[in-house]
Amino acid sequence: DQQVKQNSPSLSVQEGRISILNCDYTNSMFDYFLWYKKYPAEGPTFLISISSIKDKNEDGRFTVFLNKSAKHLSLHIVPSQPGDSAVYFCAASARIFGNEKLTFGTGTRLTIIP
Amino acid sequence: NAGVTQTPKFRVLKTGQSMTLLCAQDMNHEYMYWYRQDPGMGLRLIHYSVGEGTTAKGEVPDGYNVSRLKKQNFLLGLESAAPSQTSVYFCASSFPRVGSSYEQYFGPGTRLTVT
Repeated sequence: DQQVKQNSPSLSVQEGRISILNCDYTNSMFDYFLWYKKYPAEGPTFLISISSIKDKNEDGRFTVFLNKSAKHLSLHIVPSQPGDSAVYFCAASARIFGNEKLTFGTGTRLTIIP
Repeated sequence: NAGVTQTPKFRVLKTGQSMTLLCAQDMNHEYMYWYRQDPGMGLRLIHYSVGEGTTAKGEVPDGYNVSRLKKQNFLLGLESAAPSQTSVYFCASSFPRVGSSYEQYFGPGTRLTVT
């Protein structure tokens, strides 16, 4: 049972335009959602997160939106730059003390076209 | 700070051989994790540790063992490697605290091929 789903394996966007990456989840107990970015031959790096009590969190060019009723979150990148080309993983966590784990989606490969 | 480091970066094993992957972190993090990444599968948790001397199973623990004898180190062992264990292995660490987002810090990965 895949609790965190990224249904788009890949996405191509023109440089300067908006990139929108989507993620759906099924577990209502998740209370934090995170986005990670991964370049080839490197480990994932943390990008941005959002608590389940919020519906938006912004950090520079990156904004994450959370729709709890739809169990859906999205990452917006504006404007998209060539260095944004990477694989993006959505992750979620349920607050259980002593059991803090992340559940990852399968990733979306974003390609920014110059 | 080096952050999270992994040794080795690459390894080729024959079926049945054993090996140990080493993860080290210098951030004084309590929690450490081992993941494997396979095409189309995302990151799957193998084992994790919430403190020195403790370990727990993750989503895909079969065929692996772990040890956390020192806070800064987390070892992943393969006793008898199988071709299904060909993967990229990532170690991560975190310091969960009230109000945090469970952000984990990842190492650069170990690419393992089992022939």
